[in-house]
Amino acid sequence: EDQVTQSPEALRLQEGESSSLNCSYTVSGLRGLFWYRQDPGKGPEFLFTLYSAGEEKEKERLKATLTKKESFLHITAPKPEDSATYLCAVQAGTASKLTFGTGTRLQVTL
Amino acid sequence: DVKVTQSSRYLVKRTGEKVFLECVQDMDHENMFWYRQDPGLGLRLIYFSYDVKMKEKGDIPEGYSVSREKKERFSLILESASTNQTSMYLCASSRGRGHSYGYTFGSGTRLTVV
Repeated sequence: EDQVTQSPEALRLQEGESSSLNCSYTVSGLRGLFWYRQDPGKGPEFLFTLYSAGEEKEKERLKATLTKKESFLHITAPKPEDSATYLCAVQAGTASKLTFGTGTRLQVTL
Repeated sequence: DVKVTQSSRYLVKRTGEKVFLECVQDMDHENMFWYRQDPGLGLRLIYFSYDVKMKEKGDIPEGYSVSREKKERFSLILESASTNQTSMYLCASSRGRGHSYGYTFGSGTRLTVV
């Protein structure tokens, strides 16, 4: 059974204070690892897909990396508008379905 | 702007009612999914569909059914609503099988069963 664990559950940062979110996974035959951002009361919004160990993707202040067992979402010099819940998900085998972690709730304060 | 549209943002239903949640996508995606999201439990897959008139059970299908009569529309049905089905319901779609495509999500339907 595919498993995804995200840590920490919640993270509070001051504006400009860089940090990383962790997503560890156990799957048979990883096809893709996905990061989403979710604002309160809204559906998740796609950020990145990573396909193989060593791959990195960047978007503004966010950078996602992937190893054979985990992925990190690095947030550099965050701003209050980066406050959201960040979800990690994996796709494995021949299925199109995603298995999600429970998310990290990020709050960035002034 | 491509999107997934869920028919209701908020719904309040009584215990025992039959409830229909509708989802429409305009991206010609083959795959459609229904998840529920609860605090501390994350997103859990209820049902999904790879094609018209096809459906497969997800991780928590009990108490739910689905219908996909047209490619763009995927309906979730609560046969007899119960209070433990109070949740945020999220519909998503993705491109065809054999590729690692992510989902596009709708805005969600917050269902309260009283």
